[in-house]
Amino acid sequence: GAGVSQTPSNKVTEKGKYVELRCDPISGHTALYWYRQSLGQGPEFLIYFQGTGAADDSGLPNDRFFAVRPEGSVSTLKIQRTERGDSAVYLCASSVVGGEAYEQYFGPGTRLTVT
Amino acid sequence: GESVGLHLPTLSVQEGDNSIINCAYSNSASDYFIWYKQESGKGPQFIIDIRSNMDKRQGQRVTVLLNKTVKHLSLQIAATQPGDSAVYFCAENNAGNMLTFGGGTRLMVKP
Repeated sequence: GAGVSQTPSNKVTEKGKYVELRCDPISGHTALYWYRQSLGQGPEFLIYFQGTGAADDSGLPNDRFFAVRPEGSVSTLKIQRTERGDSAVYLCASSVVGGEAYEQYFGPGTRLTVT
Repeated sequence: GESVGLHLPTLSVQEGDNSIINCAYSNSASDYFIWYKQESGKGPQFIIDIRSNMDKRQGQRVTVLLNKTVKHLSLQIAATQPGDSAVYFCAENNAGNMLTFGGGTRLMVKP
């Protein structure tokens, strides 16, 4: 079946601009996660959705970052007033249910470059 | 804060040999661990997981060992193949939701 998909695969934007990154989870997966991965490092947790609600947003670095999942499926990560330090690969993952015992399936990521 | 880390950033092995990738974790409350494989330009791919009530788990050509006494995790790959070349991450889950990843080890398989 189809895996997690993310669009766009690459996004180049100028400092100060607004960007939206989209994640389509695996159908039927109720839990959705966003991570950020800098070059040469492991992914870092940003936010977790269970259904439509953000159950844990403790990883969002500041209030420029926001994510939504209005219908409990597709999610959008929104970054306002982008900074060069936001450049990274943004990964989305989904699982059947949230919680420790359930495998998270990752998408290919969106590579964001802020110039 | 507590974190998951790896001992070796790069591991080079001969095709057909066994590979061992190590990981140290510091959060003694962690009770679920996962190994992921990440190829260039792709997202992490699940390899194998283990709960803290186990010390060994085997999959196809892979084995994960957990030593809670010294807070150490290892991934063993038998008969390493060129397709195993990738970056390997260990991750821990102790908050029920998020995964905490280590820095990764690059495995290079020489033909």
